[in-house]
Amino acid sequence: DGGITQSPKYLFRKEGQNVTLSCEQNLNHDAMYWYRQDPGQGLRLIYYSQIVNDFQKGDIAEGYSVSREKKESFPLTVTSAQKNPTAFYLCASIWAGGTGELFFGEGSRLTVL
Amino acid sequence: GENVEQHPSTLSVQEGDSAVIKCTYSDSASNYFPWYKQELGKRPQLIIDIRSNVGEKKDQRIAVTLNKTAKHFSLHITETQPEDSAVYFCAASIRGGTASKLTFGTGTRLQVTL
Repeated sequence: DGGITQSPKYLFRKEGQNVTLSCEQNLNHDAMYWYRQDPGQGLRLIYYSQIVNDFQKGDIAEGYSVSREKKESFPLTVTSAQKNPTAFYLCASIWAGGTGELFFGEGSRLTVL
Repeated sequence: GENVEQHPSTLSVQEGDSAVIKCTYSDSASNYFPWYKQELGKRPQLIIDIRSNVGEKKDQRIAVTLNKTAKHFSLHITETQPEDSAVYFCAASIRGGTASKLTFGTGTRLQVTL
């Protein structure tokens, strides 16, 4: 069954700790994205990657880091430098030669205690 | 960069009525405008999209219109049903590069009442 898998679905973290959110896709999509969703603010782009070993900052990259060592995987690390990390995080992917549709994972909800 | 504004933030309609959600964008180079629906607790999913070479597109009860000159586009849902209740996001991007970088609006929470 093809799709995008995010884990964990829920995560609690103490202030000052780094946390890594996993995103894996088996759709053979080229580009992958991380969005942050806050109430009333829509979906804001954190980072995106077009190909392996390459990624670009989005609109709100400060306090986050990513890697793209494999085509299937695009993990997001929320560092202690992120001032307000409590949010819902969505990973997405797209096939460069397709219609433009973004396929989303089910999301990870991070709560900082 | 691109900026997308979306209105209204909440919309309540009676079942059977029509609903309209409007978005404006800032970058005249944007040429791809999708709409995503996010039901409560679920992932956003594409419901319809339009490219800048057309002015209107329909898919059953859903239609999208685009005015390039004014830089705005709208989602129209006719004969609304309870299952249309969700958050709707508009977005804009420039297609044709190596990857789309979608900029989303802030979302509209649509409530269809019986």
